[in-house]
Amino acid sequence: DIQMTQSPSSLSASVGDRVTITCRASQGIRNDLGWFQQKPGKAPKRLIYAASSLQSGVPSRFSGSGSGTEFTLTISSLQPEDFATYYCLQHNSYPLTFGGGTKVEIK
Amino acid sequence: EVQLVESGGGLVQPGGSLRLSCAASGFTFSSYWMSWVRQAPGKGLEWVANVNLDESGKRYVDSVKGRFTISRDNVKNSLYLQMDSLTAEDTALYYCVRGIGAPGAGGDWGQGTLVTVSS
Repeated sequence: DIQMTQSPSSLSASVGDRVTITCRASQGIRNDLGWFQQKPGKAPKRLIYAASSLQSGVPSRFSGSGSGTEFTLTISSLQPEDFATYYCLQHNSYPLTFGGGTKVEIK
Repeated sequence: EVQLVESGGGLVQPGGSLRLSCAASGFTFSSYWMSWVRQAPGKGLEWVANVNLDESGKRYVDSVKGRFTISRDNVKNSLYLQMDSLTAEDTALYYCVRGIGAPGAGGDWGQGTLVTVSS
């Protein structure tokens, strides 16, 4: 199974900060990776697909990069509505596996 | 508007069974692979199962193999998860997901249905 190691597990940041979250795959997954945002009590929402493509309707302050084993999600200027938990997902091979999540909290 | 509405969750005793349903609307259901993903209380996300367009391909996480069965009805625009031999470790919110890895349109989630396995 491919393990997805996500870091950090939590972070505190202020509105306007640049935030970077990393996912590392235990083996190469090309660009078969998505990023999801989950707010408390809500279903996850996909932000990024194919590692770097922005989902329609998602603000451009979100961006994804990487290929192979190292991936990042960047929020260029953190907004109040961005405080949430973020997950990566690899869909290169079965079983599909999520990262452990990164909780973004208000500093 | 894409809508995925799960139902069928509830309280069940260990060893019991449940059948979850997901009613899809707002898109061509038969054109998308579908998935079930679960989230135990206070925990992260876990992929459970996938089904391809015509049910010829079904895949499961090891922990549910032989106990859960994913299926779909492209006429009724519905996705199902038959869950047998349930254990406390299956307690979770179960989400239906459209095209979890699909480029472009896809990656939509329902609101989930809660399954609680307890005596």
